[in-house]
Amino acid sequence: DGGITQSPKYLFRKEGQNVTLSCEQNLNHDAMYWYRQDPGQGLRLIYYSQIVNDFQKGDIAEGYSVSREKKESFPLTVTSAQKNPTAFYLCASSIVGLAGWEQFFGPGTRLTVL
Amino acid sequence: DQQVKQNSPSLSVQEGRISILNCDYTNSMFDYFLWYKKYPAEGPTFLISISSIKDKNEDGRFTVFLNKSAKHLSLHIVPSQPGDSAVYFCAASERKGSQGNLIFGKGTKLSVKP
Repeated sequence: DGGITQSPKYLFRKEGQNVTLSCEQNLNHDAMYWYRQDPGQGLRLIYYSQIVNDFQKGDIAEGYSVSREKKESFPLTVTSAQKNPTAFYLCASSIVGLAGWEQFFGPGTRLTVL
Repeated sequence: DQQVKQNSPSLSVQEGRISILNCDYTNSMFDYFLWYKKYPAEGPTFLISISSIKDKNEDGRFTVFLNKSAKHLSLHIVPSQPGDSAVYFCAASERKGSQGNLIFGKGTKLSVKP
């Protein structure tokens, strides 16, 4: 089954702790993305990566870090510098090319910082 | 400044009737538009898209209309079914010269009543 997996589904952390969210895809997509969704808000782009070992900041990158050591994996670390980390985090991937820009999303991780 | 706007946070429709969800954009460089459907605590799923060279695209019960001069697009669902109840996000991208990044609206929550 091809798709995107995010783990865990729910995550609880104490304030001041760093936490890493997992995202894996077996769609052979080059590009991967991290979004954050807050109540009543759209999806806001945190980081994206078009190719292995390269990534770019999105609109709200402060307090987050990523790595892209493998094509299949794009983990997101929420650091203690992120002021409002409690949110629903979504990972997505896409084929890069003019045929279409559809992004395919994982099921999301709900992070709650206590 | 929001480049993609969904001005109706919610919409309620009777089963069997038409649902019309609206989306406005400000960036005239956008040339590809997408609609996603999202259930609570799940990732968005791609629904339908349209290129700026077209003014209509149809897929089963779903039709997207694009009015470039008005910078407006709409999603029509006919007939509406209770299972269509979800949040619908409009997204836009500038495929040429961009890196495939999607700009999302804040979403419209559709409720289809039996």
